[in-house]
Amino acid sequence: EPEVTQTPSHQVTQMGQEVILRCVPISNHLYFYWYRQILGQKVEFLVSFYNNEISEKSEIFDDQFSVERPDGSNFTLKIRSTKLEDSAMYFCASSEGIGATNEKLFFGSGTQLSVL
Amino acid sequence: AQSVTQPDIHITVSEGASLELRCNYSYGATPYLFWYVQSPGQGLQLLLKYFSGDTLVQGIKGFEAEFKRSQSSFNLRKPSVHWSDAAEYFCAVAPRGNQGGKLIFGQGTELSVKP
Repeated sequence: EPEVTQTPSHQVTQMGQEVILRCVPISNHLYFYWYRQILGQKVEFLVSFYNNEISEKSEIFDDQFSVERPDGSNFTLKIRSTKLEDSAMYFCASSEGIGATNEKLFFGSGTQLSVL
Repeated sequence: AQSVTQPDIHITVSEGASLELRCNYSYGATPYLFWYVQSPGQGLQLLLKYFSGDTLVQGIKGFEAEFKRSQSSFNLRKPSVHWSDAAEYFCAVAPRGNQGGKLIFGQGTELSVKP
């Protein structure tokens, strides 16, 4: 089965530093997503992205966050100035068609971000 | 407020025993319903989903789930658990008509399987 690939699996950064989390969605997919899970809490939706635009974003996804599809294969999440509370597992996902309701979302195995 | 509740944080069952993982949702209208599984070091994998029609839904790996509107529940079941089923299980919902890909997840239930 095709896979969504996330790198690195674990990233450690200092508070206030910028961090970029990378994802390679499945090649023929058009819709991309970021979710996160803070330890002991629920998996939370951050943002969805289609046609080089944000389709939907949550309240968590403030000005400190941005997403980009810099080339034909990567999908990145940037946190400009990390805070301690940004420490979480970040999941990238992609789907062939529109939305989670009509299409199967494929999730990556996650990047564990630790902010010190 | 929209929410998904998985009341059991951790469940242990013996291999070969039956399994039921509970999920309740709170929504204005019946949402789309999903169960995902996460094995250690792996991403979230879709087990099954309910959109409409037959309220008993069959999924992969021998899992099934039953939608009960009167109870706002979507419990996951498996008649005979295998050791490889040990993982974390997430119930999730999406509002009908949602086109943005936003899933709302429950807290997760960690399943341990005893030999």
